[in-house]
Amino acid sequence: QVQLQESGPGLVKPSQTLSLTCGVSGASISNHGSYWTWIRQHPGKGLEWIGHIYNSGSTYYNPSLKSRVAISVDTSQNRFSLKLTSVTVADTAVYYCATESMAVTGLMDVWGQGTTVTVSS
Amino acid sequence: AIQLTQSPSSLSASVGDRVTITCRASQDINSDLAWYQQKPGKAPEVVIYDASRLKNGVPSRFSGSGSGTDFTLTISSLQPEDFATYYCQQSKNYPLTFGGGTKVEI
Repeated sequence: QVQLQESGPGLVKPSQTLSLTCGVSGASISNHGSYWTWIRQHPGKGLEWIGHIYNSGSTYYNPSLKSRVAISVDTSQNRFSLKLTSVTVADTAVYYCATESMAVTGLMDVWGQGTTVTVSS
Repeated sequence: AIQLTQSPSSLSASVGDRVTITCRASQDINSDLAWYQQKPGKAPEVVIYDASRLKNGVPSRFSGSGSGTDFTLTISSLQPEDFATYYCQQSKNYPLTFGGGTKVEI
């Protein structure tokens, strides 16, 4: 069974780049035929889909974040990553990695536990 | 992007109550809708997908219905472990989008 674990700094300064990694266990990211996804949740708010990457490297980003987001895959480490540039306090959130079901398009059926990122000077 | 509007945003209920949450999409999404349950400090978990399919292991007191633009999540007899926030999510188009959530409180 696939398991996901986010890691990265819990505090980022405004204007800097937020970098998070999602470690994958229970499956090989390079031949697991699903999308690897990042979602965030602002404090006390709803969920925002950030984007995803396929193991081929093809990506799709939320247009609301597209100019600042990059998602990549590191098959040698069996992990995928999120970079969000030029962060502001509005990027303070819990960040989740997830994987979309291979059977149901767009269904995020496995989630990491989430990691809190605070943007503050 | 497709907008999803959930109602109510919160509700108070008692154990044993029947609870209904609605989700309205800004355009036709067929049956490409899922419901997630989220408890405090935890990641969301799938309850219903394809509008009405119960995820394996989810109690049968949960049910989903609807297609097109109007959807419903029903809990037939609320149990203590069901107190949580519920989100709908559409998978008709990318970007995937979520409703604003419904908090079910005691």
